[in-house]
Amino acid sequence: QVQLVQSGAEVKKPGASVKVSCKASGYTFTDYHIHWVRQAPGQGLEWMGWINPNTGGTNSAQKFQGRVTMTRDTSISTAYMELRRLTSDDTAVYYCAAKERSGSFDYWGQGTLVTVSS
Amino acid sequence: SYELTQPPSVSVSPGQTARITCSGDALPKQYAYWYQQKPGQAPVMVIYKDSERPSGIPERFSGSSSGTTVTLTISGVQAEDEADYYCQSADSSGTYVFGTGTEVTVL
Repeated sequence: QVQLVQSGAEVKKPGASVKVSCKASGYTFTDYHIHWVRQAPGQGLEWMGWINPNTGGTNSAQKFQGRVTMTRDTSISTAYMELRRLTSDDTAVYYCAAKERSGSFDYWGQGTLVTVSS
Repeated sequence: SYELTQPPSVSVSPGQTARITCSGDALPKQYAYWYQQKPGQAPVMVIYKDSERPSGIPERFSGSSSGTTVTLTISGVQAEDEADYYCQSADSSGTYVFGTGTEVTVL
């Protein structure tokens, strides 16, 4: 069965960086984009960007451009999202999702809580 | 980037019909998706391509589109449908956005 397993919770200080991993199994990793979505406590879903695991091409929300890097390692079917220059506003649960553009393939990871605190 | 606007909350009695709207200028040209999210859980897609229902999603969930508004309809609402619902769409460049979210309360 399709599974996306994310790395564990992180606590970071303001100004630091965080890198979250997302290991895919149960399907061909290069067939579907990996999206990154975050949700601050008590807030709505916020789309951050996607990576095409086949080409490495990325697209990110304007808000995160220059601060987010999405990469992948096809040899281990794992995608990564690195967010730099963290502030308390970046405290959130970060999700990865494997998604086909039409929506017919849509699977999510369990989420990774990132807490930014001095 | 564009925005998708949803009502903050919808209340409905069990067995009645809940309708959640999502408005955005790009919706006539782009597909919409709907997600259900329960507390502490990852979102689950309940509608894709405006009106298609994924395998395993109950038939009481349906979607429709008219102009700049898409609508998620839950017919015969059950207590288990109490959750937050988000619409999502993308522009032609592949940039996605979520709606503001709607909390559905089953009275």
